[in-house]
Amino acid sequence: SQELEQSPQSLIVQEGKNLTINCTSSKTLYGLYWYKQKYGEGLIFLMMLQKGGEEKSHEKITAKLDEKKQQSSLHITASQPSHAGIYLCGAEYTGTASKLTFGTGTRLQVTL
Amino acid sequence: DADVTQTPRNRITKTGKRIMLECSQTKGHDRMYWYRQDPGLGLRLIYYSFDVKDINKGEISDGYSVSRQAQAKFSLSLESAIPNQTALYFCATSAGAFDQPQHFGDGTRLSIL
Repeated sequence: SQELEQSPQSLIVQEGKNLTINCTSSKTLYGLYWYKQKYGEGLIFLMMLQKGGEEKSHEKITAKLDEKKQQSSLHITASQPSHAGIYLCGAEYTGTASKLTFGTGTRLQVTL
Repeated sequence: DADVTQTPRNRITKTGKRIMLECSQTKGHDRMYWYRQDPGLGLRLIYYSFDVKDINKGEISDGYSVSRQAQAKFSLSLESAIPNQTALYFCATSAGAFDQPQHFGDGTRLSIL
């Protein structure tokens, strides 16, 4: 959807390196969800951000929502092969009754 | 056992055939969703249901229909399949209201020849 842009589209990093994935909305977010998808499989919920300036972490993955609530970043520290997959952001907007608009995804490969 | 189960996992069929994809959940969620995923296009919402008596069209409902047989079951039908409906289909559920993540099944890979 043009409402939600993810960048980069794909990323290849060496094991141990840090990386950042961005998700930018054309309008103010009510909530932003991050999911991970292993190739050809279902989406696994990672975390949800709602408040401007909010930051959440799970293991080596940290997600932030900027103060204006129009952009979120997902940062992976010391990447591992298990981090490989497709990362998708899903936006929840006011008045959309819990429907999510998804970005096109970022395909991450982690090389040894 | 998976909380959100989709059947079949893979299906190959011919143009013009009627296809039904099934989704069942044990999470006790009221809200259920059907998406399709295409390379470069992300996930797009086909239909969604907030309870057994509620069915709503999503972004790309043309050529599809759904049935909510029970709180736990939500099926997607392609009345007359066409090749551009070849995609990965996902069912999802949520507890409702805001702040509740959607939980996804493992998907059905559908190929229409």
